Amino acid sequence: ETGVTQSPTHLIKTRGQQVTLRCSSQSGHNTVSWYQQALGQGPQFIFQYYREEENGRGNFPPRFSGLQFPNYSSELNVNALELDDSALYLCASSSQGMLAGYNEQFFGPGTRLTVL
Amino acid sequence: AQKITQTQPGMFVQEKEAVTLDCTYDTSDPSYGLFWYKQPSSGEMIFLIYQGSYDQQNATEGRYSLNFQKARKSANLVISASQLGDSAMYFCAMRETGFQKLVFGTGTRLLVSP
Repeated sequence: ETGVTQSPTHLIKTRGQQVTLRCSSQSGHNTVSWYQQALGQGPQFIFQYYREEENGRGNFPPRFSGLQFPNYSSELNVNALELDDSALYLCASSSQGMLAGYNEQFFGPGTRLTVL
Repeated sequence: AQKITQTQPGMFVQEKEAVTLDCTYDTSDPSYGLFWYKQPSSGEMIFLIYQGSYDQQNATEGRYSLNFQKARKSANLVISASQLGDSAMYFCAMRETGFQKLVFGTGTRLLVSP
């Protein structure tokens, strides 16, 4: 069973640039969630994709956007990068339809983004 | 709004001893789930244990147990027989039924000494 993978591992961008982060979900999972984890903080929910549709969004501006593909892999795109976007970006996959309230999310290793 | 509070920025424990990491939560939803994750320095969030709001018994997973006190809205993680490999950040998180997101606390850094 292949786990959640993310690419790239590290990325350095400058303010104003655009970035695309990628996530491959665990085999059999149809839902991908993205989280931003600033240094010294807990992860913050960005959005979730289920069957290629956005299925819930956190308090992030529209310059954070995403996609999910038919194979359930996903991309996170961030436009007009700001210094505060520097963080670890975590992707988590899960399978909808499990018991209500218990929907274990399996996390990838993350992409560490630095904005200069 | 959901909120998770972890008041211990750091905890120290000696190898083979037990340690309790505190977590309190706030929600108005009667149905919710509580999770604990471990985050080593590599960054990956590793699922440890889950407790549902309607579960009658405290969850246990090997050396991990969750001390669930619903009236106090607390969900403390107990690690028995600590090992050096337990040194990491530990996050408590909550998910309300019907909502897709996990809400995390600020974490507790655990250091296990020989």
